Order: sequence, then structure tokens, then C-alpha cells
Amino acid sequence: GAGVSQSPSNKVTEKGKDVELRCDPISGHTALYWYRQSLGQGLEFLIYFQGNSAPDKSGLPSDRFSAERTGGSVSTLTIQRTQQEDSAVYLCASSPDGAGAVTQYFGPGTRLTVL
Amino acid sequence: AQKVTQAQTEISVVEKEDVTLDCVYETRDTTYYLFWYKQPPSGELVFLIRRNSFDEQNEISGRYSWNFQKSTSSFNFTITASQVVDSAVYFCALTGGIAGNTGKLIFGQGTTLQVKP
Repeated sequence: GAGVSQSPSNKVTEKGKDVELRCDPISGHTALYWYRQSLGQGLEFLIYFQGNSAPDKSGLPSDRFSAERTGGSVSTLTIQRTQQEDSAVYLCASSPDGAGAVTQYFGPGTRLTVL
Repeated sequence: AQKVTQAQTEISVVEKEDVTLDCVYETRDTTYYLFWYKQPPSGELVFLIRRNSFDEQNEISGRYSWNFQKSTSSFNFTITASQVVDSAVYFCALTGGIAGNTGKLIFGQGTTLQVKP
């Protein structure tokens, strides 16, 4: 079946602009995760959704970052007033359930470049 | 706090050599899960294996094998008879398994493996 998809694959924006990144999880997966991969920080957890709720937002780096999930499916990560340090690859993952026993499957990522 | 350490930043081998990627973890959870993911040049993280803390049995899958030792908090990954297609960044990751755990993964810094022909 189809895997996790993300769009756009690449996004170049100017400092101060808002961006939206989209994630389509594997059909039927109730858990959805956003991670960020940057040269200096490695792979970092951002936020976890179970259904449409986000019980763990502990990884969001600032209030410029927000995310939502609708219909228990598609999720959007929004970064407002982008800064150069936001440049990174944003990865989305989904799993059948939000528990450690269950494997997360990753999408191809969105490479964000803030000029 | 949970932590994963992959001390080897880069490894370079010649094709057909065996190579072991080290992973050491820290956690206070009694139930936890360990993972290895592969990130080829295309960028997508590919799941390789998941182990739970109660199962220390080593696992072999083709040319891949994993050695889990709770006594040393290590979960090492060996590729036998490496091939050029094995060139990638390999990540070890950890998550807790107790009630309330969200499943978020704590990743090591990754080991870049280069297999030369």
C-alpha cells in the first residue's frame, strides 16, 4: 500500500514568511509524528498526534511552530515568521498506534530552506 | 532522561568487509524499545528492526545481524559482506514503553557508512 507522503518535497522561503508543510500518513494509522533533521541538532521530535489530538507538543521549538491534524488523517505543520535556523528537513512518520511497541514509518521529508 | 549514543560518526570499508555499527543507550524505563533505521542518499528513513527490552535474543536477517546486550546497554548492528548499496546513514533510536509513553523516538547522531567498491 501507499506509504507516508509529504509535500512539498522542497520549499525555499524568505525570512519572515510563513510556511505550511503537509503530511499524509499511511491509511488507518492513528498516530502521527513530526521530526526535524538539521545538521547541528540531528533528528529531533517535534509533536505527536493521536487521532486529531496532540498529547505531546514538547518538541516544538517556539510558539512560531504549530501543527494540526484533521479527520484523523492529514497533518499540517505551520511555521510562522520563518528564521534561518528553521532550515532543516522536516520528517513525518505514522504508526498504527501511539506506543513504543509499534514501528513508525517515515515519509520522504520536506527540505525547508530559509533565505 | 533517555539518550542514544552512536560514537562512530563515519565508517569507511571496502566491499565484502564486515562492519559493526555501535549503539549505546540510556534509559530509566524497565520497558523500552530499540530501533535501527537506514537513511540512504534519497533521504527517506527506512525501518530495519525493532527490539523490546525483554527480548535479548540476537537476530539475523540476511546479511544483517543485531546484538542486544542489556548488561552494557548496547544494541549493535553488524553488516556481513558489505555492499556498495549499504552506503547510508544509520540511526539507532529508543523509545519507552510504559503507560503514557507517546512513542516518540530518541535518535542517536547517526553513523555514516561508506562502502567502497
